[in-house]
Amino acid sequence: GNSVTQMEGPVTLSEEAFLTINCTYTATGYPSLFWYVQYPGEGLQLLLKATKADDKGSNKGFEATYRKETTSFHLEKGSVQVSDSAVYFCALSPVPSSNTGKLIFGQGTTLQVKP
Amino acid sequence: DGGITQSPKYLFRKEGQNVTLSCEQNLNHDAMYWYRQDPGQGLRLIYYSQIVNDFQKGDIAEGYSVSREKKESFPLTVTSAQKNPTAFYLCATLPGWATNQPQHFGDGTRLSIL
Repeated sequence: GNSVTQMEGPVTLSEEAFLTINCTYTATGYPSLFWYVQYPGEGLQLLLKATKADDKGSNKGFEATYRKETTSFHLEKGSVQVSDSAVYFCALSPVPSSNTGKLIFGQGTTLQVKP
Repeated sequence: DGGITQSPKYLFRKEGQNVTLSCEQNLNHDAMYWYRQDPGQGLRLIYYSQIVNDFQKGDIAEGYSVSREKKESFPLTVTSAQKNPTAFYLCATLPGWATNQPQHFGDGTRLSIL
């Protein structure tokens, strides 16, 4: 079946540190991949997406590359800020032939950035 | 502004009571989804609807019910059969069911037991 595995948190970093949050997936075919961010007490916001192998999604200094060979979609940022403190979710949307628009989510990774 | 409105933001349920969470959208999206979020477990799908007057069970539908009488609205009822309803509930929408498009989320309703 389809699944997403994220690194466990919380991840605690100092401001301006480099961030990596690992995400690997299991799926047949070529799913679309997403990173969402959730700030305290709020819903999820799309951070970036990639729809085919070797695509790189980027937004607000965050990047993630769709790696088919390693079934990974790791999130990176070169220099984090306190305002990046949030929960980050990796998600996949299965291939069209079986899709109903459902998303499969990882368990989320909490990022804490200290000044 | 186009968006998804969930209400109320906080909701309390008494023992044996049914409660209904509202989700309204003006994005003209066809598909709507309800997720439950528990700490450390990510999001789990409760119900979804791809078209008016039709809906499907997700992974954890027991103890919940929905309706889709209008395109704009997809209310979720948490029934007394749901023995552990305390969670954060999120509603999401998707234009059609295009797989490479992201879902849009509301701001959620936090449900607690009195």
